[in-house]
Amino acid sequence: AQSVTQLDSQVPVFEEAPVELRCNYSSSVSVYLFWYVQYPNQGLQLLLKYLSGSTLVESINGFEAEFNKSQTSFHLRKPSVHISDTAEYFCAVIGGGSEKLVFGKGTKLTVNP
Amino acid sequence: NAGVTQTPKFRVLKTGQSMTLLCAQDMNHEYMYWYRQDPGMGLRLIHYSVGEGTTAKGEVPDGYNVSRLKKQNFLLGLESAAPSQTSVYFCASSYLTSGTEAFFGQGTRLTVV
Repeated sequence: AQSVTQLDSQVPVFEEAPVELRCNYSSSVSVYLFWYVQYPNQGLQLLLKYLSGSTLVESINGFEAEFNKSQTSFHLRKPSVHISDTAEYFCAVIGGGSEKLVFGKGTKLTVNP
Repeated sequence: NAGVTQTPKFRVLKTGQSMTLLCAQDMNHEYMYWYRQDPGMGLRLIHYSVGEGTTAKGEVPDGYNVSRLKKQNFLLGLESAAPSQTSVYFCASSYLTSGTEAFFGQGTRLTVV
């Protein structure tokens, strides 16, 4: 069965600093990868996704993630964070022969002034 | 465009009571999912459905039942609520194949006392 590991449960950073949120998944066979963001008391929103093609995918608000098949990773990065990026971020995977959309335990990003 | 709608948004149950959570989507999606979110645990899949009339178990199905009699609706039932089922429940739906993003409802906060 697919599984997702988010290596950091909490990441505190200062505003305008770079950040990396790490995600590893269990299978490299035909998977699709997603990053979702959850703001307080809200549902989850898609941030970006990797389906195929270029291994570097970008979101409209400056985040990017790189699919690394050999390391089975899909780390999320942003070169300069804002206070408004404070949220919980979830990595998710589907595929590898499974129809289940499986999530990691989440990483709480706190951006301090 | 409503997207994914969950009802109710909040509910308090006494131990042993039953209830049904309703998820409705207006995007003609084939896949639907029920998750529970608990602090530090991420989103755990309870049950899912890949089409009308079909359901399958996820990671934590015990104590829950589901039905998908209509394509647009996915019901989650608790026959005899327990305090361990206190959680925030999220419904999600996605289009036919596993390479498309899932859209989430706003969640149902359930407290069992």
